[in-house]
Order: sequence, then structure tokens, then C-alpha cells
Amino acid sequence: SYELTQPPSVSVSPGQTARITCSADALAKQYAYWYQQKPGQAPLVVIYKDNERPSGIPERFSGSSSGTTVTLTISGVQAEDEADYYCQSADSSGTYRVFGGGTKLTVL
Amino acid sequence: EVQLVESGGGLVKPGGSLRLSCAASGFTFSSYNMNWVRQAPGKGLEWVSSISGSSRYIYYADSVKGRFTISRDNAKNSLYLQMNSLRAEDTAVYYCAREHSGYDSRTWRYYYYMDVWGKGTTVTVSS
Repeated sequence: SYELTQPPSVSVSPGQTARITCSADALAKQYAYWYQQKPGQAPLVVIYKDNERPSGIPERFSGSSSGTTVTLTISGVQAEDEADYYCQSADSSGTYRVFGGGTKLTVL
Repeated sequence: EVQLVESGGGLVKPGGSLRLSCAASGFTFSSYNMNWVRQAPGKGLEWVSSISGSSRYIYYADSVKGRFTISRDNAKNSLYLQMNSLRAEDTAVYYCAREHSGYDSRTWRYYYYMDVWGKGTTVTVSS
């Protein structure tokens, strides 16, 4: 198994841009996915296959990939975006799924 | 409406057993891989196990291998997790999650992500 590394916390003011990174060697070959989880709720996928956005997810959410690091970007952050965000991927064989440790996004 | 509903959680003593269930509706259950994901109190998400639509492929996290067994009954649209030899560190909310998977011919990559989640069921292991 392997680990996905995320910063524990990110803070931004409303209207600013939040960027959350996720790193692992396997990300050079495997897609990454991003989930938003609000207190007491189940996770919700906001980005899949590095940069694709499911229907119903606001356009301010975007994803990008560069080598072994993927980034979730939230442009024009709103108070409702305050949540925990997790990246997820799979190992090189596609056998194991793995989550990053999570990043708490605080909207100041 | 696509829906997953977990049940079977509760309080169990260390060393005990518990069987979780997940009832699926609103989609062709047998066409999807399914996963169990857990979240210990105040902690992050941890993938536990996955099972392919036909039950041919089954995988476990190292932390539960040999103690937990995932299974499914496509005729009943149900997913299960049999948990044996439970430990305090197994205390968590357990979510079942549908996996959207496939092969992207543009990038020659497979993809696996969890697009539908249940609300979870709580398992507490304590004496």
C-alpha cells in the first residue's frame, strides 16, 4: 500500500482561491479523485479523473495534475465550501484504493 | 433514486463479531464494484474492502485482512461486511459506496472512484 499526502489545513477568506494539494509517486500513473465531506455527512465526489467535474458540482471547483501532485482548486470560495477534502486514488495495480489524510478547509 | 442504506452497526466487545449490510436501490447493482469505507471518530476516511460486480475480485486493506469478509448478493441488491475478531481500533462509521470504474482509452488508464455513498452505520468496539 502507499500513502497520499495532503496538508492538514488550508484557510482562505471568502472570494479568494483555495488550493489543496495531494502527492504520491503513484499519481503519475493513476487518476486522482476529490471528495468533500461536511460534518455529519457522507463524502461527495467533487472531482474525478484528475480534472473532471460531476454534474451538479459548481464550476468553481476544478482539478489539475502535474507529475506526482494533483491539486484541487476552489475559485471564489464561499462559506458553504468549508469542509474536509480528501483525495483518493489506487495503487499501481488497481488493487487497493487509498485516501489521503484529508484537508480541513476553513473559510475565514 | 439511486440509494445505499447501511445497517447492522452497534456496540460489540473486543474479539466479537458483527455483520454489516448495505441495501442498494435505483441502479443495476450487479454492474458495479462496491466498497466499504470507514471513518474513525475525528479521523479521516479509510478504504476497507472492495468487491467486483460478479464477486470475482475481492480486495482488503491490510488492517482488516484475515478478519473481515466482504460479500454481495446481487439477487437481493445487497452488500455485506462480516467483521470478526473486532478490535477497539475498528470503531468507526462504516460507509458502503458504489464505485464508478472503467478504462479511459484516451489516457490508457483505469479509473475507480466512489460516486454514491450511504449515510453510514456506526460500529463501536468496547468492553
